[in-house]
Amino acid sequence: NAGVTQTPKFRVLKTGQSMTLLCAQDMNHEYMYWYRQDPGMGLRLIHYSVGEGTTAKGEVPDGYNVSRLKKQNFLLGLESAAPSQTSVYFCASIGSSGRAGEQYFGPGTRLTVT
Amino acid sequence: EDQVTQSPEALRLQEGESSSLNCSYTVSGLRGLFWYRQDPGKGPEFLFTLYSAGEEKEKERLKATLTKKESFLHITAPKPEDSATYLCAVQVMDSSYKLIFGSGTRLLVRP
Repeated sequence: NAGVTQTPKFRVLKTGQSMTLLCAQDMNHEYMYWYRQDPGMGLRLIHYSVGEGTTAKGEVPDGYNVSRLKKQNFLLGLESAAPSQTSVYFCASIGSSGRAGEQYFGPGTRLTVT
Repeated sequence: EDQVTQSPEALRLQEGESSSLNCSYTVSGLRGLFWYRQDPGKGPEFLFTLYSAGEEKEKERLKATLTKKESFLHITAPKPEDSATYLCAVQVMDSSYKLIFGSGTRLLVRP
């Protein structure tokens, strides 16, 4: 199993450009999440999905959109990138379970917006 | 508001010098508390889950404990390879299973 993979690993955008980050998991997990990590601020939740075809807003959703058309994929879109979106983006997934279960994280995408 | 605070922000230890990292939390309802290790340029790696006050988990030189207001990650006789950022996160009692993270403790163990 590859676990959670993210594409691309690095990207540089100019202000106003758009892009899509892809997260894929091969563990048949129901729940998927997008976080951003900034220095000194830990990980903050952008959007999440509790199943195929569903999405919901997290703590910092502004400027981002997401889609979960297939169970194994969770896409994060930036329609008009801003320098404030320079960050490292992590995707995570978890299977459905009755108790708390660990989230499996991808390796991250480092995005710079100039 | 649900909140997680970790201290200290950074910690430098000599090899073999034991210490503890703190994670204090304020949540409406705790489903579980997680500890993760994060190496530079990588995603967080799961270490422990604690579900109720009084619970303890151990793995090699690490031991995690939980009270009603905080968790400690004890590091016994650390080695340089234990150097990493340690993240604490809580999972609240809702249907999303989302995590609320602290800002982490950067640990450096010198030989």
